[in-house]
Amino acid sequence: QKEVEQDPGPLSVPEGAIVSLNCTYSNSAFQYFMWYRQYSRKGPELLMYTYSSGNKEDGRFTAQVDKSSKYISLFIRDSQPSDSATYLCAMSLTQGGSEKLVFGKGTKLTVNP
Amino acid sequence: SAVISQKPSRDICQRGTSLTIQCQVDSQVTMMFWYRQQPGQSLTLIATANQGSEATYESGFVIDKFPISRPNLTFSTLTVSNMSPEDSSIYLCKGGYTFGSGTRLTVV
Repeated sequence: QKEVEQDPGPLSVPEGAIVSLNCTYSNSAFQYFMWYRQYSRKGPELLMYTYSSGNKEDGRFTAQVDKSSKYISLFIRDSQPSDSATYLCAMSLTQGGSEKLVFGKGTKLTVNP
Repeated sequence: SAVISQKPSRDICQRGTSLTIQCQVDSQVTMMFWYRQQPGQSLTLIATANQGSEATYESGFVIDKFPISRPNLTFSTLTVSNMSPEDSSIYLCKGGYTFGSGTRLTVV
């Protein structure tokens, strides 16, 4: 079993839809949970960052963490064509004194106008 | 957040040659990370680079194949040595939570 599982999609939705992106993980030692957005031919950019169970909201984006179920989600409200990108979940743990990130494979999202 | 300039953005190289990728950060960062991104695969950490010490490599990656330099807190290079077509991939550096834009490498 991989440490982080993410459905690669692709996911195609109409503009204005609510999008739900999900990852599961197996390692209880993960401390921080992140979502990155990666546009085509660009590097990933950090969208959301959280460390505790519960919800964190930032504009149209909500990150949800459920540590008991080892499950994280990213919700996008009122999705826009500019949200079309690949979304990567990432989780961090400290190993040998340094922080290591473990990524999911990414979910490719297309928002159709 | 930091801004990272990564060069080159893409290259096509002959097998058996080497390519050096550079990353310049606009602010000092303690650690820089080098990743490989292959189609359909997760971002995979190659190594962690601290200034003034040898890089720490992840399982499956060795210094002879991927030598790294970290001369100061704003700059790092990754060399892909003795390349083969299997090395064709996107290589990314990271400082803090910021990634470079990536280097798309094709080995022919």
